[in-house]
Parts: sequence; structure tokens; C-alpha cells
Amino acid sequence: QQQVKQSPQSLIVQKGGISIINCAYENTAFDYFPWYQQFPGKGPALLIAIRPDVSEKKEGRFTISFNKSAKQFSLHIMDSQPGDSATYFCAANHGSSNTGKLIFGQGTTLQVKP
Amino acid sequence: GAGVSQSPRYKVAKRGQDVALRCDPISGHVSLFWYQQALGQGPEFLTYFQNEAQLDKSGLPSDRFFAERPEGSVSTLKIQRTQQEDSAVYLCASSRTSGAKNIQYFGAGTRLSVL
Repeated sequence: QQQVKQSPQSLIVQKGGISIINCAYENTAFDYFPWYQQFPGKGPALLIAIRPDVSEKKEGRFTISFNKSAKQFSLHIMDSQPGDSATYFCAANHGSSNTGKLIFGQGTTLQVKP
Repeated sequence: GAGVSQSPRYKVAKRGQDVALRCDPISGHVSLFWYQQALGQGPEFLTYFQNEAQLDKSGLPSDRFFAERPEGSVSTLKIQRTQQEDSAVYLCASSRTSGAKNIQYFGAGTRLSVL
């Protein structure tokens, strides 16, 4: 059962453009939604995270938009740079979980062309 | 180093061999997670430790998989009688405290190839 669905699988954007990655979840108990960035040969690293009591969170060029009623959230990368080329994963868990285990999406490979 | 360290980085095993993968979490981190990442996929949860206690092993795919963290720091993931479907990157993550919403810091992983 795939609890977090991510799209697109891959994305090519020109330098300076906006990259948009979408995720949808099924479990309404989820209440923490982080995004991770992974470079080849490295482990995932937390990029930005949101809780469902807000509809948007912005950190620098990275913004999460959250739609609780649609059970969807998305990552926007403004002014995309070649250094942003990586694989991005959305994830979710629920606050009542005492383990904190994350449920990941399948990933989006982003290529930013110079 | 200050990050999560995993060893070996690469492991090649013949089908049927036993393997042991090591994780050194960030010093003082209470929580430790193991994830399995198949090629082109997102990480999938295997097991969770709070200090030395294994509180969740619901993601372990079979009884061939075993994990331990006897002193609440270093953890070992052991896979017995490896199969080709075990080929994946095994990621370890640690977080400062227990519970959800704590940042998980990942190691670079161990890439296991079973021939």
C-alpha cells in the first residue's frame, strides 16, 4: 500500500525557472510532512518541513504548499539552480507515533539545465 | 565526524551468505532508524530503536533480518542467507530525541549487492 504518492518521477527545468513537485497522501492521521534532498552517493538530508495547521511555509527559495482537504502538498523551488539537481523525496508521519518513522514518496529526480 | 557513519559503504555478497551492516549514529542521539532504499525508490522503514530498545520492527521483510543496538549507540543490521531481492542501499538515520517531528539525520548508506 503506497501511502504517499509523488509526481513527477523526473523533471527538467531551466536555470532560473520554478521546479514543482507534488505529493498526495492517504492517511489522515499524518501531521508532519518533510521534504528530503538526496545527492548521488549521499543519504537524504532534510530540506524543509510543514505541519498541517499552516497552508504554506517558505525557507529561502524553497516553499511548501499544503492543502489539507485535498490531502496534497507540494514543493516549489524558485530560481532553480544547477546545484539543485538532485532527487527529492516527500515524506509523512503522524504525531501520535512514538517511533517517528517516515513514509517516503517514490522520489523525483530534478535536473536543472544551465 | 559529526554525522551518521555507516560501514561498509559497499558490500558484495554471494546468495546465501550472511552480512552485517554497521551504523554509528550522531553522539547522544536517542533514536535510530534503519531504512531500505531500492534502486530508484524512496527509503522504506525497517526498524526503530529508542536507546537500546527496539520499539518497532514492523518493516523487517523477513526473519532473515535482525537488528540490534545493545548499548544504545552503535547499531548493526544483520541479514542472514542473503537473497538477490535483498540488494539495495541500507540507510541508517538518527535523531536527537524520540517521537515524531524530530529531524532524522541520514548516513550515506551501505550499498548491498547480492550475486
